[in-house]
Amino acid sequence: EDKVVQSPLSLVVHEGDTVTLNCSYEVTNFRSLLWYKQEKKAPTFLFMLTSSGIEKKSGRLSSILDKKELFSILNITATQTGDSAIYLCAPRSQGGSEKLVFGKGTKLTVNP
Amino acid sequence: GAGVSQSPSNKVTEKGKDVELRCDPISGHTALYWYRQSLGQGLEFLIYFQGNSAPDKSGLPSDRFSAERTGGSVSTLTIQRTQQEDSAVYLCASSPGQGLWQPQHFGDGTRLSIL
Repeated sequence: EDKVVQSPLSLVVHEGDTVTLNCSYEVTNFRSLLWYKQEKKAPTFLFMLTSSGIEKKSGRLSSILDKKELFSILNITATQTGDSAIYLCAPRSQGGSEKLVFGKGTKLTVNP
Repeated sequence: GAGVSQSPSNKVTEKGKDVELRCDPISGHTALYWYRQSLGQGLEFLIYFQGNSAPDKSGLPSDRFSAERTGGSVSTLTIQRTQQEDSAVYLCASSPGQGLWQPQHFGDGTRLSIL
């Protein structure tokens, strides 16, 4: 059975702090891993990672994948209150529906 | 439309009633997915459509759940004889579905509450 574990489940930091969110996975026919940010309603796409060891960056956010150890991390530097959200990790299987398998998410709260 | 549109945004109904949830995907997107998000849980896959056909229904939790898609566009998710455990946010997502795989785009969801 496909399995995705995110840690921590909840994190409270102050503005300016750096955070690291973790995602470990066991998925058959792994193809890629996606990160989404969910504020109030619709999850919004952040990154898609396909290859090990290649960091993807977007502003203060970055992410990397380790396909050997089956995990990914999402880093956020110089956090802002607008980063407060639930961050979802979702590996994708190859073939068929290529549905996403989601973890429970990490709820990040950034206090001023 | 500009994004994935879902309706209603909120639905409160009594146990035992049937409900219909609607999803209007991004124009031109042939792949459509339904997910369910219960309190404190991640998104749980329900069903996948490619065009009007549903090659993967493996996530539907019981035969009370069904979905259809007509004209390769709008989809409806129907829950019959609702139970309290059906209370959740039901999210719809779409993607182009052809050529190079692209990430799914989500709607705002329908929050379903069963009394």
